[in-house]
Amino acid sequence: QVQLQESGPGLVKSSESLSLTCAVSGGSISTFNWWTWVRQPPGKGLEWLGEIYHSGNTNYNQSLKSRVTISVDKSKNQFSLRLISVTAADTAVYYCARVARNGVDIWGQGTLVSVSS
Amino acid sequence: QSALTQPASVSGSPGQSITISCTGSNNDIGGYNYVSWYQQFPGKAPKVMIYEVSNRPSGVSNRFSGSKSGNTASLTISGLQAEDEADYYCSSYTGSSALLFGGGTKVTVL
Repeated sequence: QVQLQESGPGLVKSSESLSLTCAVSGGSISTFNWWTWVRQPPGKGLEWLGEIYHSGNTNYNQSLKSRVTISVDKSKNQFSLRLISVTAADTAVYYCARVARNGVDIWGQGTLVSVSS
Repeated sequence: QSALTQPASVSGSPGQSITISCTGSNNDIGGYNYVSWYQQFPGKAPKVMIYEVSNRPSGVSNRFSGSKSGNTASLTISGLQAEDEADYYCSSYTGSSALLFGGGTKVTVL
């Protein structure tokens, strides 16, 4: 079955960029699904960051659109998140996930990214 | 865009039924049948419990049901069990091709 695994630095300095990659295993990223990033600050709720289709089409959270870029690498069967100009408010667990007809049905385990001053 | 509105907490005794509401607008819940509900345990990733307002994925207990009226969606848990104690989030796609989550509801089994 399809599994997702996030990877990337767990600590990022304030004003710098956060970059995470989501490796898709057990299936192809080039399916009729969108692939998404969701984050959750400690003790708080879920926030959708954006999504990408294997063609490269994207949709972003308008409140973060100027800072977020999601890309896909079909040759590596993975997709990535880049968030620029981070602050302490960007400290969160970041999840990558698959969007299917039955909702966001497959999630990675999540990775905590802390922003230090 | 603001998050969908959910009560912060809902509680019930074992065997009872509880309902969690999720209020949005004409541009999300009211305009589309793409409402989903997620269950999340501490330190774990969310799990989809309901999709497209009222559909249950394979393997989800039929004690979980979803509905929608106007701009408000609801998740009902029947025959509440201790294992249902978790955080629950609603979500809806919007007219801007964005996904919106609710603020989350903590369910406590008394």
